[in-house]
Amino acid sequence: SAVISQKPSRDICQRGTSLTIQCQVDSQVTMMFWYRQQPGQSLTLIATANQGSEATYESGFVIDKFPISRPNLTFSTLTVSNMSPEDSSIYLCSVVSGYTGELFFGEGSRLTVL
Amino acid sequence: GENVEQHPSTLSVQEGDSAVIKCTYSDSASNYFPWYKQELGKRPQLIIDIRSNVGEKKDQRIAVTLNKTAKHFSLHITETQPEDSAVYFCAPRRGNRDDKIIFGKGTRLHILP
Repeated sequence: SAVISQKPSRDICQRGTSLTIQCQVDSQVTMMFWYRQQPGQSLTLIATANQGSEATYESGFVIDKFPISRPNLTFSTLTVSNMSPEDSSIYLCSVVSGYTGELFFGEGSRLTVL
Repeated sequence: GENVEQHPSTLSVQEGDSAVIKCTYSDSASNYFPWYKQELGKRPQLIIDIRSNVGEKKDQRIAVTLNKTAKHFSLHITETQPEDSAVYFCAPRRGNRDDKIIFGKGTRLHILP
């Protein structure tokens, strides 16, 4: 299994500001995935973060809005930039077990933008 | 890319009855078929999975069946209990662990007393 520590667990932010979410994994992983989950909705993939290269973003998500860092094989950050109320959501990082294929999630970061 | 559809979106069953949720996918190269359960306020967690070399897998009250020809797989919960109330997601994908993972829209299961 993989243990993922994610922070902050929640935050209330002002419109126009930026917030960085951190994820620390207890083992080395090639890929880390960042998801957004809006209230009552499914998980939407924002981007895939690969150590040593630029993150790959899904349709509808851009690097200027959601810059990602992946400085090593156990850590990644997602920044939500220039926030608006529409960015209010839960953001989750995740990794795949190399042995089973199971996806493990961080606890999630609940962002509220006022 | 993978197109994943999940039905129904909401399901209410009497406690003790069975529940079935179906997931349809488009990528014929998919060979790993998991189901995740997300309780209110918590992160999703794997409850059962199946690989393409088998047609059914069972773990106590839950089971997953796979029809690769028709490209769908289903979650079966028998003798439902209140703690089964949650949202369930399917996330079929190829075996490469670095492939991105797309989730179905989820099924909200209500167990009625």
